[in-house]
Amino acid sequence: GENVEQHPSTLSVQEGDSAVIKCTYSDSASNYFPWYKQELGKGPQLIIDIRSNVGEKKDQRIAVTLNKTAKHFSLHITETQPEDSAVYFCAASQLRGANFGNEKLTFGTGTRLTIIP
Amino acid sequence: DSGVTQTPKHLITATGQRVTLRCSPRSGDLSVYWYQQSLDQGLQFLIQYYNGEERAKGNILERFSAQQFPDLHSELNLSSLELGDSALYFCASTKGPATDTQYFGPGTRLTVL
Repeated sequence: GENVEQHPSTLSVQEGDSAVIKCTYSDSASNYFPWYKQELGKGPQLIIDIRSNVGEKKDQRIAVTLNKTAKHFSLHITETQPEDSAVYFCAASQLRGANFGNEKLTFGTGTRLTIIP
Repeated sequence: DSGVTQTPKHLITATGQRVTLRCSPRSGDLSVYWYQQSLDQGLQFLIQYYNGEERAKGNILERFSAQQFPDLHSELNLSSLELGDSALYFCASTKGPATDTQYFGPGTRLTVL
């Protein structure tokens, strides 16, 4: 089955600096890579996702890059703000079309991001 | 707010007991997923239901079972509870059986004493 590794497990950055979280996956058939943000006491919230047919996707201060050959993808947060402090999870799955069951999301172990004011 | 609701928010019970966790998916979503989040294991997929039928199974113990009702809400039943079952339990929903974006509920924190 799929195995997702995530690094680092904790990350502290000064407010305004950039943060980068990296994940690697093992199953070359995986083609969908979402990133979730989990704040204290809440459920994971999707912040950005990427499919394997693109190499990069951006949404304001957040971007995700994907290297299919190396089987790794990264989350980039620029101009970090205190509200970015949370636990971030990467995940991977294989979407095979509506006639097939949705492959389960395999999550990384999470990165606790702390923004230092 | 994702639109997915879960009850109860907190649950404290004793070993050997049985509990039921409830999840209501977003309006229009037919698929429900259950996940367990513990400190040392991260988010682990348990089971998926689509329109009332089991669709995919993950690392779900035999002591655990789930079902999805005609109104599309789902229940996760945990029996013969052990201390190690203490965790956060999340459900997520999607429109179809193979839709990408999963929307998570706020979770139920289960404490087994």
